[in-house]
Amino acid sequence: GDSVTQMEGPVTLSEEAFLTINCTYTATGYPSLFWYVQYPGEGLQLLLKATKADDKGSNKGFEATYRKETTSFHLEKGSVQVSDSAVYFCALSPPPFRGSNYKLTFGKGTLLTVNP
Amino acid sequence: DAGITQSPRYKITETGRQVTLMCHQTWSHSYMFWYRQDLGHGLRLIYYSAAADITDKGEVPDGYVVSRSKTENFPLTLESATRSQTSVYFCASRIHGQGASDTQYFGPGTRLTVL
Repeated sequence: GDSVTQMEGPVTLSEEAFLTINCTYTATGYPSLFWYVQYPGEGLQLLLKATKADDKGSNKGFEATYRKETTSFHLEKGSVQVSDSAVYFCALSPPPFRGSNYKLTFGKGTLLTVNP
Repeated sequence: DAGITQSPRYKITETGRQVTLMCHQTWSHSYMFWYRQDLGHGLRLIYYSAAADITDKGEVPDGYVVSRSKTENFPLTLESATRSQTSVYFCASRIHGQGASDTQYFGPGTRLTVL
């Protein structure tokens, strides 16, 4: 079945440091890939997404590129801020023609803490 | 305000009691989902619904019941709550279709504690 593996946390960085959170997936065909962010005490918000190979999703300074050859969708940001402290989830949704009913499969989440 | 809401936001109950968590969305999205979030497991799908009166099991459906008589509502019922059902529950919705409509939108969550 489909699965998502993301790097274990927690990750602690200083402000303005470079961030990478690794995410790899197992799925048949070309799933859609997502990064969701959960700020303390809140629900999940879509951070960025990519729906086909070599697409780059970007938002709020975060980027991730859909790499079919390595089945990866790593999240990066060049300079993190204290306000980026949150839990980040990588997720995939299979192609609709597989009858997936758009179910999301999530990684376990990575807690990021950014210190001033 | 439009969006997806959940109620209650916090609930404490006792083992064996029936509990219903409510989810309401104002977008008329076809698809709705219930997830539970547990440390070390991320989010796991409990049930989902493709439309009113159409529901199906997800990854962890045991001990839960859902219904969807109206498009905008998708309640989740724990028929006889157990301590293992202590969790944070998230409802989500999305429209039917590909491309830009891929996004699932999440509610704020319900934190349930079963004593």
